[in-house]
Amino acid sequence: DAGVTQSPTHLIKTRGQQVTLRCSPISGHKSVSWYQQVLGQGPQFIFQYYEKEERGRGNFPDRFSARQFPNYSSELNVNALLLGDSALYLCASSLVAGNNEQFFGPGTRLTVL
Amino acid sequence: GESVGLHLPTLSVQEGDNSIINCAYSNSASDYFIWYKQESGKGPQFIIDIRSNMDKRQGQRVTVLLNKTVKHLSLQIAATQPGDSAVYFCADQDFGNEKLTFGTGTRLTIIP
Repeated sequence: DAGVTQSPTHLIKTRGQQVTLRCSPISGHKSVSWYQQVLGQGPQFIFQYYEKEERGRGNFPDRFSARQFPNYSSELNVNALLLGDSALYLCASSLVAGNNEQFFGPGTRLTVL
Repeated sequence: GESVGLHLPTLSVQEGDNSIINCAYSNSASDYFIWYKQESGKGPQFIIDIRSNMDKRQGQRVTVLLNKTVKHLSLQIAATQPGDSAVYFCADQDFGNEKLTFGTGTRLTIIP
């Protein structure tokens, strides 16, 4: 069975640009969460989507947005990129929302120059 | 603010020995605790979890202990192997909330 998949694996952007990251959850999983992991730190929660609705938002600026599609895949968008947005962006899926094992994808490594 | 923290950033253990990784949490509302393993270039991998109504849970070569009185969580890995070398994170969750709050992580190195 395929796990959580993310694309692209690596991405290089310059300051001010916009980026879209994609995530496909495990088949049958309806909840998708996004995390940002800066080098040397633990992942930080950005968003959670369940049944195409936003169910949670972390302490991130409005430059960060996301959405979930009818097939439960998800996109994370970041506008007006800053150097500090350089990080590993992780997607996690779970069967339903709340207190369930979350399965993480391999992440997208974003570098902002 | 509430946070999950780790006592030691690095830990080196001889292959075959047991290792213990500790974690302190501060959110008294935390209901669910998870240990993740993250290898270089990969996403976090679920190891074991425990709910707040338990104080111990065992898996294959791993045991998680929860002490709610002092808000302390530990991960014990028995008979360590080279493949256990990774960064280990503890994370917590409030009841009914998908958000995971991660600690900084402990890098475990297994010495052959």
